[in-house]
Amino acid sequence: AQKITQTQPGMFVQEKEAVTLDCTYDTSDQSYGLFWYKQPSSGEMIFLIYQGSYDEQNATEGRYSLNFQKARKSANLVISASQLGDSAMYFCAMRGLTEIQGAQKLVFGQGTRLTINP
Amino acid sequence: DAGITQSPRHKVTETGTPVTLRCHQTENHRYMYWYRQDPGHGLRLIHYSYGVKDTDKGEVSDGYSVSRSKTEDFLLTLESATSSQTSVYFCAISSRGGGDEQFFGPGTRLTVL
Repeated sequence: AQKITQTQPGMFVQEKEAVTLDCTYDTSDQSYGLFWYKQPSSGEMIFLIYQGSYDEQNATEGRYSLNFQKARKSANLVISASQLGDSAMYFCAMRGLTEIQGAQKLVFGQGTRLTINP
Repeated sequence: DAGITQSPRHKVTETGTPVTLRCHQTENHRYMYWYRQDPGHGLRLIHYSYGVKDTDKGEVSDGYSVSRSKTEDFLLTLESATSSQTSVYFCAISSRGGGDEQFFGPGTRLTVL
């Protein structure tokens, strides 16, 4: 079974600082994918970044980067130069192999609530 | 933004009553998913669909059924709602497998009294 663990229930960071949100995963699949989603207080789920298990480079999307350490089974999200608008809940998720015609089954962690202080 | 709507957005119902939640997409995506979000659990997959009339169970499917009679609509039914099904329900879509992101709808807040 696949499992995602986010050990930081909450984090408080000063504006403009970089922040790292931790995510570790457990799977026996050789092919898998890792996602990060942001959920602001308004409730919607916003896709941030994706990393495939065979990708050699760490994924980056603007201020977001994913620090992928395969041997350690970690996929930490790094946000550079944090902004007040980054305050939200952040979820790490994993996609594993699926039996049914390519459907993705995502397994989510419990989330980390990030608060950016001015 | 991906064209996904959910209805209703909020619902309060009583234990034992049937409830149907609707997810509608305008993206013509093949795959559709239903998740529930509860404090301390993140999101958990209930059911998913990989085509019209093709569905399968997710992690927490007990007490739920789904139907997909056309590409754009995916219905989630609670045959006899229980208080443990009080949750926020999210619909999601994706066009293919692999690293394709799932786009999420705005969510439905369901309260079962």
